[in-house]
Amino acid sequence: GIQVEQSPPDLILQEGANSTLRCNFSDSVNNLQWFHQNPWGQLINLFYIPSGTKQNGRLSATTVATERYSLLYISSSQTTDSGVYFCAVEFKFISNFGNEKLTFGTGTRLTIIP
Amino acid sequence: NAGVTQTPKFQVLKTGQSMTLQCAQDMNHEYMSWYRQDPGMGLRLIHYSVGAGITDQGEVPNGYNVSRSTTEDFPLRLLSAAPSQTSVYFCASSGTDSDSGANVLTFGAGSRLTVL
Repeated sequence: GIQVEQSPPDLILQEGANSTLRCNFSDSVNNLQWFHQNPWGQLINLFYIPSGTKQNGRLSATTVATERYSLLYISSSQTTDSGVYFCAVEFKFISNFGNEKLTFGTGTRLTIIP
Repeated sequence: NAGVTQTPKFQVLKTGQSMTLQCAQDMNHEYMSWYRQDPGMGLRLIHYSVGAGITDQGEVPNGYNVSRSTTEDFPLRLLSAAPSQTSVYFCASSGTDSDSGANVLTFGAGSRLTVL
């Protein structure tokens, strides 16, 4: 069935460590986004990355569409990186228009210890 | 400040009561949507709209109504609240980013609803 799986479900790291979060998806996508939900509940878009690699400061993301996975890298972690990271995709067989029906994974909860 | 505004932030209802969660955006986005977030389940799409006068169902539409009379507003109505509707609700909008050309979602701050 339709699946967006994220791993690991939980990750606890010391400040300054690097981390890799993974998102596997079950079918071809035309939209993939990464979001960060901070401890106060606010959801912030990090990357729009249906394919390829992007970088923004200490964060970078890579999507290998042919192998149906995406990776989010966080380098030199800071306590402000704590929260839940969500991957969301729109499957091609559902829609071709972009954001109409995003399917979210269940998230990776990242805790950065000072 | 530009963005997505949701009200109220918190609400407690009794079973059977009705209410409307308000959502407004000032970015002239055509697309708007409502999600609910439950523990351990990520976000699930309730309803969405691709423009004024156009709405459609998402993954979990039962018990919810929406309308889109203007580009700016997309209210979510609970006609007869049930305890299963206890959740955190997020409104989102999206438009084409002028730099990247991508359609990215911008979320409101969320509305926590408890149904007793």
